[in-house]
Amino acid sequence: DAGITQSPRHKVTETGTPVTLRCHQTENHRYMYWYRQDPGHGLRLIHYSYGVKDTDKGEVSDGYSVSRSKTEDFLLTLESATSSQTSVYFCAISDTSGANVLTFGAGSRLTVL
Amino acid sequence: TQLLEQSPQFLSIQEGENLTVYCNSSSVFSSLQWYRQEPGEGPVLLVTVVTGGEVKKLKRLTFQFGDARKDSSLHITAAQTGDTGLYLCAGRMVSGTYKYIFGTGTRLKVLA
Repeated sequence: DAGITQSPRHKVTETGTPVTLRCHQTENHRYMYWYRQDPGHGLRLIHYSYGVKDTDKGEVSDGYSVSRSKTEDFLLTLESATSSQTSVYFCAISDTSGANVLTFGAGSRLTVL
Repeated sequence: TQLLEQSPQFLSIQEGENLTVYCNSSSVFSSLQWYRQEPGEGPVLLVTVVTGGEVKKLKRLTFQFGDARKDSSLHITAAQTGDTGLYLCAGRMVSGTYKYIFGTGTRLKVLA
């Protein structure tokens, strides 16, 4: 295993509540990513990080914020969850060796009622 | 708007048939990858192509990167039931960052 863990794996919450998803890696990779996966859309990039405290927006960043206070952890926060944020969220990691490999976690299924 | 469009979106074929999946964009990518995803799991890398016109083979799978590095194709010869899954292409942006954009996905079902 590549050493990437997502938590929680499943969560049901109500509209308007805050939610935080955690991605933890043991590979010491520089790059970390959050994607969401919805039918017909493949994977869409929410935010990514290229180092501690260095983050940038992806294609669908509205309504999401991220933080990376240490190399191994990348947090995705929904400040006020909406039903449109019901999705499966994947974290991925990548190093800068030029191998161009994204290694994914097992996913976090979020349902917003 | 999705930067990378895949076609077809769904494909159901008989075992032994050949198929091709396409990944197209108006943007240029520094590299392009193909992933396969099983239900309940994250995508797993199949191959990376870097040079325009590059062709890579992985057993019965042949991957090609377009000359202009804007498109790619995945060809499967003599499909097997074990090839069933979701196939995703992903392009690494040319901007110099390690930002990867995924295609819309092709769900393949191979029938016995």
